[in-house]
Amino acid sequence: EDKVVQSPLSLVVHEGDTVTLNCSYEVTNFRSLLWYKQEKKAPTFLFMLTSSGIEKKSGRLSSILDKKELFSILNITATQTGDSAVYLCAVDPNTGNQFYFGTGTSLTVIP
Amino acid sequence: NAGVTQTPKFQVLKTGQSMTLQCAQDMNHEYMSWYRQDPGMGLRLIHYSVGAGITDQGEVPNGYNVSRSTTEDFPLRLLSAAPSQTSVYFCASTKGGTGRAQYFGPGTRLLVL
Repeated sequence: EDKVVQSPLSLVVHEGDTVTLNCSYEVTNFRSLLWYKQEKKAPTFLFMLTSSGIEKKSGRLSSILDKKELFSILNITATQTGDSAVYLCAVDPNTGNQFYFGTGTSLTVIP
Repeated sequence: NAGVTQTPKFQVLKTGQSMTLQCAQDMNHEYMSWYRQDPGMGLRLIHYSVGAGITDQGEVPNGYNVSRSTTEDFPLRLLSAAPSQTSVYFCASTKGGTGRAQYFGPGTRLLVL
């Protein structure tokens, strides 16, 4: 059964800390892995990773994919209160339109 | 571009009532999907469409119908609402081809009493 598992379920850190969020997956086929940020509204797209070992970076956020070990990490450095959100990982299995989502990691950044 | 739009933002229904959640996108995306999001369950796919006139079931299709008469619109119909359908509903669209990213609408919060 195809699935996406994220860890930890929740995380509380202080401003300035660095956090690492994990996403592991098992899918029959694989096209890409996507990270989303969800505040109290719709998920917004962060990164899409298709190739192993190539880091995607946007400001203080970065992500990397390991297709051999079937996981991805999302790093956030120098966290700010505005980073507080649920971070979702999804896998595009290259069949139809069935993106598989993890249940998310809830990040709370305390001032 | 408005992106993906959804209406209404919030709705209260009584058990047994019917309603249609509207979704539209102006990005000319081929793929459109409906998800529901419940606490601790993540996003679950209800129905999806790979183009006008083509729809298919996702993970949790029971109690919902969809149609896709145009590329832009993908309404979700609840024929006889049940309390178990209380949830937040997101519509998403995806450009076809390789390297697809889904773009979500703002969501509809539905409460069924």
